[in-house]
Amino acid sequence: EAGVTQFPSHSVIEKGQTVTLRCDPISGHDNLYWYRRVMGKEIKFLLHFVKESKQDESGMPNNRFLAERTGGTYSTLKVQPAELEDSGVYFCASSQEWGQGGNTGELFFGEGSRLTVL
Amino acid sequence: KQEVTQIPAALSVPEGENLVLNCSFTDSAIYNLQWFRQDPGKGLTSLLLIQSSQREQTSGRLNASLDKSSGRSTLYIAASQPGDSATYLCAVYNQGGKLIFGQGTELSVKP
Repeated sequence: EAGVTQFPSHSVIEKGQTVTLRCDPISGHDNLYWYRRVMGKEIKFLLHFVKESKQDESGMPNNRFLAERTGGTYSTLKVQPAELEDSGVYFCASSQEWGQGGNTGELFFGEGSRLTVL
Repeated sequence: KQEVTQIPAALSVPEGENLVLNCSFTDSAIYNLQWFRQDPGKGLTSLLLIQSSQREQTSGRLNASLDKSSGRSTLYIAASQPGDSATYLCAVYNQGGKLIFGQGTELSVKP
Protein backbone atom coordinates (compact mmCIF):
# COMPACT_ATOMS: atom_id res chain seq x y z
CA GLU A 1 0.00 0.00 0.00
CA ALA A 2 1.38 3.39 -0.98
CA GLY A 3 2.06 5.86 1.80
CA VAL A 4 1.41 9.59 1.83
CA THR A 5 3.17 11.18 -1.12
CA GLN A 6 4.08 14.83 -1.52
CA PHE A 7 5.27 16.81 -4.51
CA PRO A 8 7.59 18.57 -5.07
CA SER A 9 10.19 17.42 -2.60
CA HIS A 10 11.96 20.77 -2.87
CA SER A 11 10.96 24.05 -4.42
CA VAL A 12 13.05 27.22 -4.69
CA ILE A 13 11.18 30.37 -5.69
CA GLU A 14 11.61 34.14 -5.61
CA LYS A 15 9.71 36.31 -3.18
CA GLY A 16 6.38 37.25 -4.71
CA GLN A 17 6.04 34.13 -6.82
CA THR A 18 3.46 31.42 -6.40
CA VAL A 19 4.02 27.82 -5.37
CA THR A 20 1.59 24.93 -5.19
CA LEU A 21 2.33 21.89 -3.07
CA ARG A 22 0.48 18.64 -3.57
CA CYS A 23 -0.32 15.80 -1.21
CA ASP A 24 -1.77 12.40 -2.04
CA PRO A 25 -3.02 10.72 1.13
CA ILE A 26 -3.20 7.01 1.78
CA SER A 27 -6.14 5.58 -0.14
CA GLY A 28 -9.27 5.47 2.00
CA HIS A 29 -8.08 8.01 4.53
CA ASP A 30 -10.75 10.67 4.97
CA ASN A 31 -8.63 12.88 7.22
CA LEU A 32 -5.88 14.96 5.66
CA TYR A 33 -3.68 17.40 7.56
CA TRP A 34 -1.11 20.01 6.60
CA TYR A 35 1.72 20.91 8.98
CA ARG A 36 4.71 23.19 8.64
CA ARG A 37 8.14 23.47 10.23
CA VAL A 38 9.99 26.72 9.83
CA MET A 39 13.65 27.06 10.80
CA GLY A 40 14.26 26.69 14.51
CA LYS A 41 10.62 26.15 15.40
CA GLU A 42 8.47 23.15 16.17
CA ILE A 43 6.21 21.52 13.61
CA LYS A 44 2.90 23.37 13.64
CA PHE A 45 -0.58 22.46 12.49
CA LEU A 46 -1.98 24.37 9.52
CA LEU A 47 -5.31 22.76 8.69
CA HIS A 48 -7.41 19.62 8.65
CA PHE A 49 -9.71 18.26 5.94
CA VAL A 50 -12.35 15.62 6.43
CA LYS A 51 -12.98 14.42 2.92
CA GLU A 52 -13.38 17.62 0.91
CA SER A 53 -14.44 19.83 3.83
CA LYS A 54 -12.16 22.02 5.91
CA GLN A 55 -12.67 20.86 9.47
CA ASP A 56 -10.17 23.16 11.13
CA GLU A 57 -8.07 25.83 9.48
CA SER A 58 -7.06 27.64 12.63
CA GLY A 59 -3.35 27.22 11.90
CA MET A 60 -3.29 28.90 8.51
CA PRO A 61 -0.97 31.89 8.92
CA ASN A 62 -2.73 34.35 6.60
CA ASN A 63 -4.78 34.66 3.44
CA ARG A 64 -1.76 34.10 1.21
CA PHE A 65 -2.24 30.41 1.92
CA LEU A 66 -5.03 28.49 0.19
CA ALA A 67 -5.68 24.80 0.65
CA GLU A 68 -8.06 22.70 -1.37
CA ARG A 69 -9.10 19.09 -1.49
CA THR A 70 -11.36 18.70 -4.47
CA GLY A 71 -13.32 15.46 -4.50
CA GLY A 72 -11.87 14.46 -1.16
CA THR A 73 -8.81 12.84 -2.68
CA TYR A 74 -5.52 14.71 -3.09
CA SER A 75 -4.95 18.15 -1.62
CA THR A 76 -3.06 21.21 -2.74
CA LEU A 77 -1.59 24.03 -0.70
CA LYS A 78 -0.95 27.22 -2.63
CA VAL A 79 1.16 30.09 -1.36
CA GLN A 80 0.57 33.32 -3.27
CA PRO A 81 2.52 35.56 -3.15
CA ALA A 82 5.31 33.81 -1.27
CA GLU A 83 7.30 35.71 1.36
CA LEU A 84 10.70 34.95 2.88
CA GLU A 85 9.15 33.77 6.16
CA ASP A 86 7.21 31.07 4.31
CA SER A 87 10.40 29.06 3.87
CA GLY A 88 10.29 25.74 5.66
CA VAL A 89 9.17 22.17 5.32
CA TYR A 90 5.51 21.49 4.66
CA PHE A 91 4.28 18.11 5.81
CA CYS A 92 1.09 16.35 4.86
CA ALA A 93 -0.46 13.56 6.91
CA SER A 94 -3.53 11.39 6.62
CA SER A 95 -5.54 9.12 8.89
CA GLN A 96 -8.67 7.04 9.08
CA GLU A 97 -11.56 8.04 11.26
CA TRP A 98 -11.04 7.55 14.98
CA GLY A 99 -12.54 4.32 16.23
CA GLN A 100 -13.27 3.06 12.73
CA GLY A 101 -12.49 -0.66 12.85
CA GLY A 102 -10.58 -0.13 16.09
CA ASN A 103 -8.42 2.51 14.48
CA THR A 104 -6.32 4.62 16.83
CA GLY A 105 -6.45 7.67 14.62
CA GLU A 106 -2.71 7.52 14.00
CA LEU A 107 -1.43 10.06 11.50
CA PHE A 108 0.84 8.89 8.70
CA PHE A 109 3.20 11.52 7.35
CA GLY A 110 4.67 12.18 3.94
CA GLU A 111 8.33 13.03 3.35
CA GLY A 112 7.55 16.74 3.26
CA SER A 113 8.00 19.48 0.69
CA ARG A 114 10.87 21.84 1.40
CA LEU A 115 10.11 25.40 0.32
CA THR A 116 12.88 27.97 -0.03
CA VAL A 117 11.84 31.55 -0.77
CA LEU A 118 14.69 33.81 -1.91
CA LYS B 1 -3.74 25.74 25.12
CA GLN B 2 -1.66 22.57 24.86
CA GLU B 3 2.10 23.01 24.92
CA VAL B 4 4.67 20.26 24.50
CA THR B 5 8.21 20.63 25.80
CA GLN B 6 11.14 18.34 25.15
CA ILE B 7 14.26 18.18 27.27
CA PRO B 8 17.11 18.21 26.49
CA ALA B 9 17.19 20.12 23.21
CA ALA B 10 20.38 18.31 22.24
CA LEU B 11 22.23 15.30 23.57
CA SER B 12 25.55 13.73 22.67
CA VAL B 13 26.46 10.30 24.03
CA PRO B 14 29.05 7.62 23.32
CA GLU B 15 27.94 4.49 21.56
CA GLY B 16 26.48 1.83 23.83
CA GLU B 17 24.96 4.13 26.41
CA ASN B 18 21.37 3.86 27.51
CA LEU B 19 19.56 7.18 27.37
CA VAL B 20 16.26 8.84 28.19
CA LEU B 21 14.51 11.60 26.29
CA ASN B 22 11.86 13.58 28.10
CA CYS B 23 8.59 15.08 26.95
CA SER B 24 6.08 17.05 28.98
CA PHE B 25 2.68 18.45 28.06
CA THR B 26 0.53 21.01 29.83
CA ASP B 27 -2.97 19.58 29.28
CA SER B 28 -3.47 16.00 30.44
CA ALA B 29 -6.63 15.60 28.33
CA ILE B 30 -4.81 13.96 25.44
CA TYR B 31 -5.91 11.08 23.27
CA ASN B 32 -2.68 9.48 22.15
CA LEU B 33 1.01 10.35 22.31
CA GLN B 34 3.48 9.53 19.58
CA TRP B 35 7.25 9.57 19.25
CA PHE B 36 8.81 10.25 15.85
CA ARG B 37 12.28 10.27 14.45
CA GLN B 38 13.45 12.73 11.80
CA ASP B 39 16.73 12.36 9.94
CA PRO B 40 18.23 15.47 8.32
CA GLY B 41 16.33 16.42 5.18
CA LYS B 42 13.93 13.52 5.59
CA GLY B 43 10.34 13.04 6.65
CA LEU B 44 8.92 11.82 9.95
CA THR B 45 9.29 8.18 10.91
CA SER B 46 6.85 6.95 13.52
CA LEU B 47 8.58 5.11 16.37
CA LEU B 48 5.91 4.39 18.97
CA LEU B 49 2.31 5.40 19.54
CA ILE B 50 0.88 5.15 23.05
CA GLN B 51 -2.88 5.24 23.37
CA SER B 52 -4.31 7.24 26.25
CA SER B 53 -5.34 4.07 28.09
CA GLN B 54 -1.83 2.63 27.89
CA ARG B 55 1.18 3.24 30.11
CA GLU B 56 3.96 2.17 27.77
CA GLN B 57 4.92 0.72 24.40
CA THR B 58 8.04 -1.15 23.37
CA SER B 59 9.68 -1.75 20.02
CA GLY B 60 13.11 -3.35 19.91
CA ARG B 61 15.56 -1.16 21.83
CA LEU B 62 12.94 1.56 22.32
CA ASN B 63 10.53 1.91 25.21
CA ALA B 64 8.12 4.80 25.62
CA SER B 65 6.13 5.49 28.76
CA LEU B 66 3.16 7.74 29.36
CA ASP B 67 1.92 9.29 32.61
CA LYS B 68 -1.08 11.40 31.71
CA SER B 69 -1.72 12.63 35.23
CA SER B 70 1.70 14.22 35.48
CA GLY B 71 1.81 15.24 31.82
CA ARG B 72 4.98 13.34 31.02
CA SER B 73 6.36 10.83 28.59
CA THR B 74 9.83 9.36 28.27
CA LEU B 75 11.56 7.59 25.41
CA TYR B 76 14.20 5.13 26.56
CA ILE B 77 16.80 4.00 24.05
CA ALA B 78 18.89 1.02 25.10
CA ALA B 79 22.43 0.37 23.90
CA SER B 80 22.55 3.41 21.62
CA GLN B 81 24.18 3.15 18.19
CA PRO B 82 25.53 5.79 15.77
CA GLY B 83 22.56 5.01 13.52
CA ASP B 84 20.26 6.31 16.24
CA SER B 85 21.56 9.83 15.61
CA ALA B 86 18.56 11.93 14.56
CA THR B 87 16.03 14.40 15.93
CA TYR B 88 13.40 12.79 18.14
CA LEU B 89 9.99 14.42 18.27
CA CYS B 90 7.22 13.96 20.80
CA ALA B 91 3.65 14.84 19.81
CA VAL B 92 0.30 14.62 21.56
CA TYR B 93 -3.06 14.10 19.93
CA ASN B 94 -5.84 16.46 20.86
CA GLN B 95 -9.47 16.12 19.93
CA GLY B 96 -9.99 15.86 16.20
CA GLY B 97 -6.70 14.10 15.66
CA LYS B 98 -4.67 17.29 15.67
CA LEU B 99 -1.05 16.75 16.69
CA ILE B 100 0.85 19.19 18.90
CA PHE B 101 4.61 18.76 18.55
CA GLY B 102 7.51 19.51 20.81
CA GLN B 103 10.63 21.16 19.41
CA GLY B 104 12.53 17.90 19.44
CA THR B 105 15.72 16.50 20.93
CA GLU B 106 18.71 16.32 18.59
CA LEU B 107 20.60 13.14 19.45
CA SER B 108 24.16 12.42 18.42
CA VAL B 109 25.66 9.02 19.20
CA LYS B 110 29.45 8.99 18.82
CA PRO B 111 31.23 5.81 17.69
